[in-house]
Amino acid sequence: EPEVTQTPSHQVTQMGQEVILRCVPISNHLYFYWYRQILGQKVEFLVSFYNNEISEKSEIFDDQFSVERPDGSNFTLKIRSTKLEDSAMYFCASKEAEVSHGELFFGEGSRLTVL
Amino acid sequence: GQQLNQSPQSMFIQEGEDVSMNCTSSSIFNTWLWYKQEPGEGPVLLIALYKAGELTSNGRLTAQFGITRKDSFLNISASIPSDVGIYFCAGTNFGNEKLTFGTGTRLTIIP
Repeated sequence: EPEVTQTPSHQVTQMGQEVILRCVPISNHLYFYWYRQILGQKVEFLVSFYNNEISEKSEIFDDQFSVERPDGSNFTLKIRSTKLEDSAMYFCASKEAEVSHGELFFGEGSRLTVL
Repeated sequence: GQQLNQSPQSMFIQEGEDVSMNCTSSSIFNTWLWYKQEPGEGPVLLIALYKAGELTSNGRLTAQFGITRKDSFLNISASIPSDVGIYFCAGTNFGNEKLTFGTGTRLTIIP
């Protein structure tokens, strides 16, 4: 069964460092997303990406965050200068088409720990 | 912002029991979804609901989209050990790409 894959599974970084989290969405999917989950809390939307541009972003997704689809398969989330409060699980998700409203396939997540 | 509150926050049940959990919203959603998250994994879609009043089943799971479009429930019949996890409701609206997730219901099955 096709799946969304994410790397790394866990990254530990010092405050102020740049971090790049990588995702390979399901191959025929067109819509891509990043969500995050602070430990013990609910899953929160960060950003959606379609047709090589951001289609929607939340207030969490400030200037420190950026997303990119550098080639036909990878979808990355970059945090330029990490803060302690960026520590969370970051989930990549993808969706096949607009009609599959809300039917997202999530990866297993990348745990980011900022020290 | 939109808030989705789930109840109960956690449940401890015996294997074989039926489970019922609820999700209420401060605002209307056009689509309701139920996801399950197991430890160390991402959410997995269980059921999607697209019409107010809709009742949908997926095996032992049944979910309903409330008439007011501000609530939904999920029932699990005859629970088994692999039902353990956190169940999240989520809402979204057409033309809006984001899912708003609920606070979650943690299900634990007592041996």
